[in-house]
Amino acid sequence: DTGVSQDPRHKITKRGQNVTFRCDPISEHNRLYWYRQTLGQGPEFLTYFQNEAQLEKSRLLSDRFSAERPKGSFSTLEIQRTEQGDSAMYLCASSGLVGPNYGYTFGSGTRLTVV
Amino acid sequence: GQQLNQSPQSMFIQEGEDVSMNCTSSSIFNTWLWYKQDPGEGPVLLIALYKAGELTSNGRLTAQFGITRKDSFLNISASIPSDVGIYFCAGQLGNTGKLIFGQGTTLQVKP
Repeated sequence: DTGVSQDPRHKITKRGQNVTFRCDPISEHNRLYWYRQTLGQGPEFLTYFQNEAQLEKSRLLSDRFSAERPKGSFSTLEIQRTEQGDSAMYLCASSGLVGPNYGYTFGSGTRLTVV
Repeated sequence: GQQLNQSPQSMFIQEGEDVSMNCTSSSIFNTWLWYKQDPGEGPVLLIALYKAGELTSNGRLTAQFGITRKDSFLNISASIPSDVGIYFCAGQLGNTGKLIFGQGTTLQVKP
């Protein structure tokens, strides 16, 4: 297993366009998380899945954002009608359940620039 | 909302020196994690702490989970140039897996 994989690494889009990002977690991890990170700040939680169930969504996740994990494996994060304020690094992470096998691992992120 | 106060905000040290950084919170956390992030990359897990009072080492890194469960520190001994980066603490509330991150400590090492 090569860790958490995110695609694309970079995305430049025009304001108003829709974008979709993909995350492939570590295969034995049943939890998958999305975070957003702006320059000079720590990552901020957006949402997480346990298997295919989306269990929590942050207030940061407006109606224009939707995340799915249809078969409990990979996940997608879609942003509709992008705004300049959406420009950020979008990070995906996966983990086992809490404990010695937690292994909370982040991907390299997708850098979104909205112009 | 929950906040983690991480200090110092930045450090500029000489190669070979020891480094210490810490995080405090008004909330009790079940797990503390320490990450290092290089520019343009995702955070890389350094140390995970699961029990109050736990002291864990990973090479030149040592971290402790505070007894009150509201704080943690990370020490780096004998710093080297590749230690340069941003270090983040993160605390986990309850059993949700959701992490709250500190603001980061930027470390620069002068050869």
